[in-house]
Amino acid sequence: DIQMTQSPSTLSASVGDRVTITCRASQSISNWLAWYQQKPGKAPKVLIYKASSLESGVPSRFSGGGSGTEFTLTISSLQPDDFATYYCQHYNSYPLTFGGGTKVEIK
Amino acid sequence: QVQLVESGGGVVQPGRSLRLSCAASGFIFNNYGMHWVRQAPGKGLEWVSVIWYDGSNKYYADSVKGRFTISRDNSKNTLYLQMNSLRAEDTAVYYCARDFGVYGSHFDYWGQGTLVTVSS
Repeated sequence: DIQMTQSPSTLSASVGDRVTITCRASQSISNWLAWYQQKPGKAPKVLIYKASSLESGVPSRFSGGGSGTEFTLTISSLQPDDFATYYCQHYNSYPLTFGGGTKVEIK
Repeated sequence: QVQLVESGGGVVQPGRSLRLSCAASGFIFNNYGMHWVRQAPGKGLEWVSVIWYDGSNKYYADSVKGRFTISRDNSKNTLYLQMNSLRAEDTAVYYCARDFGVYGSHFDYWGQGTLVTVSS
């Protein structure tokens, strides 16, 4: 099975900061990676798919990069609505797996 | 608009069974693969199972293999998860999610989730 490791697990930042979250796969997954945002009590929402494709309706301050085993999610200028937990997920093969999550908190 | 509505959650004793349903609307159900994803209280997301658009293939997480069965009724636009031999560690919010494609991709729509609590 492919393991997904996210870092950091918690991130404290201020409005306007540039924030980067990293996700590492235990083996190459090409660009078969998605990023989700989840707020408390709500279902996750897809932000990025195929490593760098922005989901329709998602603000352009979100961007994804990487391929193979290393991936990043960047928020160019953190907004109040962005404080949430973020998960990466691979879909290279079954079983699908998620990273452990990164909670973005207000500094 | 796409809607996914889960039902069937509740409190169940260890070793018993429960069947979850996910009613889909707003899209052509039999064109999409469908997944179940769960989240234990205060924990991260765990993929559970997938069924292809036509029901021809199914995959499961090792943690539920042999105990859970995914199925779908395309005539009723409904996805199911039959959960047998439930354990305390199966306690979670269970989400159904639509696959962007037919064979395995990211999840572009999610339901609101249904809580399953396994406790004596």
